[in-house]
Amino acid sequence: ELKVEQNPLFLSMQEGKNYTIYCNYSTTSDRLYWYRQDPGKSLESLFVLLSNGAVKQEGRLMASLDTKARLSTLHITAAVHDLSATYFCAVVPMDSNYQLIWGAGTKLIIKP
Amino acid sequence: DAGITQSPRHKVTETGTPVTLRCHQTENHRYMYWYRQDPGHGLRLIHYSYGVKDTDKGEVSDGYSVSRSKTEDFLLTLESATSSQTSVYFCAISESIISGQGGGYTFGSGTRLTVV
Repeated sequence: ELKVEQNPLFLSMQEGKNYTIYCNYSTTSDRLYWYRQDPGKSLESLFVLLSNGAVKQEGRLMASLDTKARLSTLHITAAVHDLSATYFCAVVPMDSNYQLIWGAGTKLIIKP
Repeated sequence: DAGITQSPRHKVTETGTPVTLRCHQTENHRYMYWYRQDPGHGLRLIHYSYGVKDTDKGEVSDGYSVSRSKTEDFLLTLESATSSQTSVYFCAISESIISGQGGGYTFGSGTRLTVV
């Protein structure tokens, strides 16, 4: 069964702290996406990671991909309140070019 | 926005009635998808399309049908709505899942459907 597991599923943290969200997947894949969703809103693309060792950074967010470990991380540096949202990772299995398999999401609350 | 609209944005319907949700894009993207989002489940693919009149089932397709008669429109029909189909439905588009640019998805704003 194809699985994408995120942890933690819920994270409450203080502004200024660092933290990492993990995304493990069970299938062979070399393509992983991170999305952000604000409450009641649609999903916004954050990062596309296309190869082993890929690292992308945007502001206080940095994503990386280790295809051998089947693991991606989303690291938050010096968190600010505006980063409060739910973050999803999704992978494309190697045997499917059409479907993303999604994690359940990590709800991140950053307290001022 | 990226040129993808969903309608209606909200709908309340009765059990047993048919319901059609519309996704319209102005990007001329080949691929279109319907997802449902429920707490604790992330997004689950219902159906997808890889061209006009070319569609296929996703992981939760039972009770749903789709049609794509034009590149820009992808319709999702609940043939006989049930309470378990109460959910938020998202349409997404992508130019190419295997393109060098990454093939990321662009999502519509969602349709909140309540079946009573």
